[in-house]
Amino acid sequence: DAGVTQSPTHLIKTRGQHVTLRCSPISGHKSVSWYQQVLGQGPQFIFQYYEKEERGRGNFPDRFSARQFPNYSSELNVNALLLGDSALYLCASSLLDRYDGYTFGSGTRLTVV
Amino acid sequence: SQQGEEDPQALSIQEGENATMNCSYKTSINNLQWYRQNSGRGLVHLILIRSNEREKHSGRLRVTLDTSKKSSSLLITASRAADTASYFCADETSGSRLTFGEGTQLTVNP
Repeated sequence: DAGVTQSPTHLIKTRGQHVTLRCSPISGHKSVSWYQQVLGQGPQFIFQYYEKEERGRGNFPDRFSARQFPNYSSELNVNALLLGDSALYLCASSLLDRYDGYTFGSGTRLTVV
Repeated sequence: SQQGEEDPQALSIQEGENATMNCSYKTSINNLQWYRQNSGRGLVHLILIRSNEREKHSGRLRVTLDTSKKSSSLLITASRAADTASYFCADETSGSRLTFGEGTQLTVNP
């Protein structure tokens, strides 16, 4: 079984640009969450989607947005990139019933220069 | 700010020794989870302990939860060089979001 897949693996963008990160959950998982991990810190919650509806949003500016598609894959969009947006962006999927934790993807390493 | 806090921040031990990491949190939780991360890559789920449980085992892992002290500990027995990684605790409250601590960097020397 394929795990959570994220693309791209690495990305370099210039300040002010826009970026789209993609995530495909484990088959059968309808919940997708996004986390930002700055170097040397623990991950911070950005969004959770379930059945294409936003279920939660962390303390991030409106430059961050996301959506979930009918096949449960998800996109994270960040506009007007800042140097401080440089981080590892992690996607996680889970079941909401028979729940036993999240499965994370390997992440997208975003560098803003 | 992070709710969970791990202690110690870094731990270095010899292969075969036990490693204990502690975690504290601040609010009521549904469950507490432990994750491992190798070299800044994705997180691997290790174990989940629910708020009504006090202890849980999985292979060489033992997790305890003390809700009166709002703390948890992760014990790795008979450590191996392959256990070298960062370990994070994450508490889950309502809303299905995880709040992570800063992590413990474990180094197991061969």
